[in-house]
Amino acid sequence: DGGITQSPKYLFRKEGQNVTLSCEQNLNHDAMYWYRQDPGQGLRLIYYSQIVNDFQKGDIAEGYSVSREKKESFPLTVTSAQKNPTAFYLCASSIARGAPYNEQFFGPGTRLTVL
Amino acid sequence: AQKVTQAQTEISVVEKEDVTLDCVYETRDTTYYLFWYKQPPSGELVFLIRRNSFDEQNEISGRYSWNFQKSTSSFNFTITASQVVDSAVYFCALSEAQAAGNKLTFGGGTRVLVKP
Repeated sequence: DGGITQSPKYLFRKEGQNVTLSCEQNLNHDAMYWYRQDPGQGLRLIYYSQIVNDFQKGDIAEGYSVSREKKESFPLTVTSAQKNPTAFYLCASSIARGAPYNEQFFGPGTRLTVL
Repeated sequence: AQKVTQAQTEISVVEKEDVTLDCVYETRDTTYYLFWYKQPPSGELVFLIRRNSFDEQNEISGRYSWNFQKSTSSFNFTITASQVVDSAVYFCALSEAQAAGNKLTFGGGTRVLVKP
C-alpha cells in the first residue's frame, strides 16, 4: 500500500537535545512538507522540498533543519535552538512540484514532548 | 498575503443534525485552489475536496456538500444528517498559483463533536 510513514509516533526529549523525526513516502511524489500543529490551532509550514537536494524555509523554520537526499525521505531535525518544540508534527507530500492544484497527502504524525 | 479564517472553533451537535462549517479566505491571486481536510482523533489529515477559483459549482458527495462563493470569499462545508464518525477537526486550506512550493495556508480548524 502506498502512503507516508512517520516515526516514531511519540517522542520525548530532554531540553537541550536535538531530535530527528523520520518521514518516508512510497508514492513517488516529488514534493514533501513538514508542518507543526499546536493544540487548537491550524498547521504551520516549517520546511518544504520540491526536488531532491533542494528545500526551502516555510513560515516557522527557526530552530529546525531538514535534508532531502532521497526522493522518498525528508527527515526533520528539531534542534536545541527551537524555543518551544512540544507539538504535533505532520509530514506531507504531493505529486508534482509547480502544481498548486494537487492535494497533499499526510502521514500519521509524530507527537514530540520536551521534558 | 493569503489568509484562511474558520471562525467556529468548536461545534457540538446531536446525531442526525446538519452542521455547516464556515471558511473565509483572502488572496490577491486570481488563480487559487481551496481544500477541505478532515483530521480524526488519530491525527492524520484526510483530503476531502479541492475547488479551483474558476469553478463555483457547488458539490455534493454523499452526506457532504460544499458551497463556494467568490463574491463573499467563502467556501463552506455542510455535513447532512451527521453521524458520530463525523466527529473530527476540519480544516479549510488555500493554495495560490503564484506561491512558491505549492504551499497550503490552513485555517485554524473547526472541531465537530457529534453526540449520539
